[in-house]
Amino acid sequence: AQKVTQAQTEISVVEKEDVTLDCVYETRDTTYYLFWYKQPPSGELVFLIRRNSFDEQNEISGRYSWNFQKSTSSFNFTITASQVVDSAVYFCALLNTNAGKSTFGDGTTLTVKP
Amino acid sequence: NAGVTQTPKFQVLKTGQSMTLQCAQDMNHEYMSWYRQDPGMGLRLIHYSVGAGITDQGEVPNGYNVSRSTTEDFPLRLLSAAPSQTSVYFCASRQGQGNSPLHFGNGTRLTVT
Repeated sequence: AQKVTQAQTEISVVEKEDVTLDCVYETRDTTYYLFWYKQPPSGELVFLIRRNSFDEQNEISGRYSWNFQKSTSSFNFTITASQVVDSAVYFCALLNTNAGKSTFGDGTTLTVKP
Repeated sequence: NAGVTQTPKFQVLKTGQSMTLQCAQDMNHEYMSWYRQDPGMGLRLIHYSVGAGITDQGEVPNGYNVSRSTTEDFPLRLLSAAPSQTSVYFCASRQGQGNSPLHFGNGTRLTVT
């Protein structure tokens, strides 16, 4: 069985602070994919990034960066110099390549205060 | 390019009523799925389909039926609505192969009284 744990239910920061969202996963698959999705207050779900299980390179995209560590089964997401527009619910997800199903964590609600 | 279209956006039902939530995608995606989102419980998979004519159960299938007669459409049927089915429902699709991400509809907010 697959499982994704986002231990942080809610995080509140002040604008310009850096914030890291944690994601820990469990899977028996040797090949899998990890994703982060964003759900702003308007409610839609938007894809942010994906990572393959065999690619542990970390990635930076503007103010966003992702740290994938297979040894600890973690795929953490950092926002540098947070902005009010970053306020949203962030979901980590694990894709089972055999069945094609995606398992989501419970989400982390990030509030960035001005 | 419309992407994934869900209708209706809002719906109120009385206990015992039935209804169908519609989902259509125009991206020729093989894989389609339905999730429900409840506060503090993330997104839970109800049913999914890997192609026309093929459906399977997800994590919380009870009380819901699906069918996939075409690649484009994947309706979700509530046979006899219960208050426990009050939730926000999302339809999502993706290309069948590899690591393609899910494309989500805008959601349907269902209230069962």
